[in-house]
Amino acid sequence: GPKVLQIPSHQIIDMGQMVTLNCDPVSNHLYFYWYKQILGQQMEFLVNFYNGKVMEKSKLFKDQFSVERPDGSYFTLKIQPTALEDSAVYFCASSSDWGSYEQYFGPGTRLTVL
Amino acid sequence: QEKVQQSPESLIVPEGAMVSLNCSFSDSASQSIWWYQQHPGKGPKALISIFSNGNKKEGRLTVYLNRASLHVSLHIKDSQPSDSAVYLCAVSTINTGNYKYVFGAGTRLKVIA
Repeated sequence: GPKVLQIPSHQIIDMGQMVTLNCDPVSNHLYFYWYKQILGQQMEFLVNFYNGKVMEKSKLFKDQFSVERPDGSYFTLKIQPTALEDSAVYFCASSSDWGSYEQYFGPGTRLTVL
Repeated sequence: QEKVQQSPESLIVPEGAMVSLNCSFSDSASQSIWWYQQHPGKGPKALISIFSNGNKKEGRLTVYLNRASLHVSLHIKDSQPSDSAVYLCAVSTINTGNYKYVFGAGTRLKVIA
């Protein structure tokens, strides 16, 4: 079936550094999402993105976070600067349309901030 | 703000048993409810969704939705060891025209051969 890829699978960085998480969504999808899952806790919505714009973001999407998809390349989540509480698994998802359409998830990037 | 609660937290059943998983949500205007399966170290994978009151069957899976009681359940018939995973209930919500999922905390299922 359709696959979403995420690069890297694991990233370890020092607090205060910048990190970019990359997502290669399903090829014909236009709607993109990031979710955050702290170990053992609930998956939580961060942001959704369409047509080059953030459509909605949650309280977890702090000012240090940004997303973009330049020229149809990777959909990225950038955190600058990172904080200890940013340690989590970040999942990217994409869907073919808005609404109650299935979201396809990538395998996640495990971010460890030291 | 939509709230999604799942029960039980974990479940251990013998192979071949019928499994019943529950999910309660808070917003009656919620859109579709999705069930996802998540294996360790992997992303969630969609299993089945439902929008209208009633039930929907796909293979060994049956989902029941009751919007009046804000409850949805997933039933897995003839469970297999390969069904062992975390099952996530995801409620699709709309806010100012934008859609997102609100997830429950999940039910960890273990099927013993």
